[in-house]
Amino acid sequence: EAQVTQNPRYLITVTGKKLTVTCSQNMNHEYMSWYRQDPGLGLRQIYYSMNVEVTDKGDVPEGYKVSRKEKRNFPLILESPSPNQTSLYFCASSYGGRHYEQYFGPGTRLTVT
Amino acid sequence: SQQGEEDPQALSIQEGENATMNCSYKTSINNLQWYRQNSGRGLVHLILIRSNEREKHSGRLRVTLDTSKKSSSLLITASRAADTASYFCATEGGRNDMRFGAGTRLTVKP
Repeated sequence: EAQVTQNPRYLITVTGKKLTVTCSQNMNHEYMSWYRQDPGLGLRQIYYSMNVEVTDKGDVPEGYKVSRKEKRNFPLILESPSPNQTSLYFCASSYGGRHYEQYFGPGTRLTVT
Repeated sequence: SQQGEEDPQALSIQEGENATMNCSYKTSINNLQWYRQNSGRGLVHLILIRSNEREKHSGRLRVTLDTSKKSSSLLITASRAADTASYFCATEGGRNDMRFGAGTRLTVKP
């Protein structure tokens, strides 16, 4: 089954404790991205990747890191999480970039206390 | 900053009625996409309309695009309770990024 998976689905952590949210897709998609969703603000893109080893900042990259060492994986790293990073995070992928249908993962709800 | 902005923010209708949501955007685009999100879940792609298209249909969905007004509309005909969800439009940002609006929350009452 074609899908985007994220782990963990729920995470409660404390300020400053490094964490990684994994994202994997099995569709051989080139374009992958991370979004955060906050009430009233819709989805905001954090980082995106056009292909392996090619990443770029989205709208709200501060406090986040990403890497794209393999085509299927695109982890999101929070090196020193803060409470303002409490949010619902989505990973997405698409075949040919932003001009194509995006497939979304189920989301990761992160709470930073 | 957001590229697309949906209007209205919330819409409540009775089952069987039509629902219309609008999206306005700021810069030139190659295409515009509509997505649906059930509460707290991942977004699901509904339809993509290219800048050289004016109207597109998919089942009970009808999307229009007016590039001169930088606006699009999503019409759901004969709505059902299962259509209750949030609907988002998405467009390209200035580079290879994507921009989503804040969404329209649709409630369809049985």
